[in-house]
Amino acid sequence: DQQVKQNSPSLSVQEGRISILNCDYTNSMFDYFLWYKKYPAEGPTFLISISSIKDKNEDGRFTVFLNKSAKHLSLHIVPSQPGDSAVYFCAAGPYNQGGKLIFGQGTELSVKP
Amino acid sequence: KAGVTQTPRYLIKTRGQQVTLSCSPISGHRSVSWYQQTPGQGLQFLFEYFSETQRNKGNFPGRFSGRQFSNSRSEMNVSTLELGDSALYLCASSFGATNTGELFFGEGSRLTVL
Repeated sequence: DQQVKQNSPSLSVQEGRISILNCDYTNSMFDYFLWYKKYPAEGPTFLISISSIKDKNEDGRFTVFLNKSAKHLSLHIVPSQPGDSAVYFCAAGPYNQGGKLIFGQGTELSVKP
Repeated sequence: KAGVTQTPRYLIKTRGQQVTLSCSPISGHRSVSWYQQTPGQGLQFLFEYFSETQRNKGNFPGRFSGRQFSNSRSEMNVSTLELGDSALYLCASSFGATNTGELFFGEGSRLTVL
């Protein structure tokens, strides 16, 4: 039972263009949603999050959108840079469940110069 | 400020053996969570420890266990290893008092079971 799904295993984008990574979830009890970025041979690093009471959160080049009615989450990267090439995981959790997050399978983003 | 440290980074075991992995969280962090990552899968939650007590547990068999010490360092143990236990095991820490999901991950321990 995959409660968080990333249906695109990979995405290729030209440098300077927008990257859009998508994530769907099934559990309406999730209170917050996050995106993590992972480079090879490193652990995931937190990128950006959004709580269920918001529909948008922005941090520099990164914006996360939440559509609760569609149970859909997306990460926009504008403009995309070659250094953004990594695996991106979306994750979700109910509030105050500590370190217990449900992760998607990841999307490998490749930004080409 | 030192990050999350996991040891060993790589190890090879054979079926039936057991393994212990160690995690030192960021100084001041009281919560340690463990995740398993296998090819094609996302990260799957194993368990979380906070102030030496297991606070949350994922859907893994009892062969997977863990503990946390008074200095917040944590260990996880896998007994009677199976081929399917080959994975990257990630440890993550956070302050833990309240939590909205921002975890700090170590680089992981890559376990190969032959």
